[in-house]
Amino acid sequence: AQSVTQLDSHVSVSEGTPVLLRCNYSSSYSPSLFWYVQHPNKGLQLLLKYTSAATLVKGINGFEAEFKKSETSFHLTKPSAHMSDAAEYFCVVSDRGSQGNLIFGKGTKLSVKP
Amino acid sequence: GAVVSQHPSWVICKSGTSVKIECRSLDFQATTMFWYRQFPKQSLMLMATSNEGSKATYEQGVEKDKFLINHASLTLSTLTVTSAHPEDSSFYICSAPTGEYGYTFGSGTRLTVV
Repeated sequence: AQSVTQLDSHVSVSEGTPVLLRCNYSSSYSPSLFWYVQHPNKGLQLLLKYTSAATLVKGINGFEAEFKKSETSFHLTKPSAHMSDAAEYFCVVSDRGSQGNLIFGKGTKLSVKP
Repeated sequence: GAVVSQHPSWVICKSGTSVKIECRSLDFQATTMFWYRQFPKQSLMLMATSNEGSKATYEQGVEKDKFLINHASLTLSTLTVTSAHPEDSSFYICSAPTGEYGYTFGSGTRLTVV
């Protein structure tokens, strides 16, 4: 069965400093992995997705993530945080391929200090 | 891109009444719709999967008689919370697969039962 573990429930950074949100996954086969962002009382927006192509995936708003099979990790990074990046971030794995259910991590709240 | 329109965005209802939440796919046909529930400060949990023209599949622990799901057309799926109680207060969000590893989310419905 697939599962996702987000290692930090809360990350706080200063504006202009790098962001690292950690995610480990468990999957019985080659997974599809996603990062979604959720601003307060809003729906989810896809940041990026990995689907067995390039292991370094670039997403929107300057975010990127690297799929490391040996470490079963899919950490999300951004070189320089912006105030507008403050939100909840979810690491997600797809169950049963492209049409399967999405299994969400517990989320990491990112705070950005001025 | 593919859009799922979810309404209402928020609703307050009295205990014992029913509430219907709609998710419409605006520019694509959604044969499958996933319904999630998110309690405060928690991740999204799958409640049920609806497929057009057939009965919905409910996750373990979700009462199918309480959370009625209808997917009568390729562009509309509805979730009805029947005889709502305060413990049903939550953020409900739908999601439809939109092709190769793509998923589109509705904007969510904040339900408060008083």
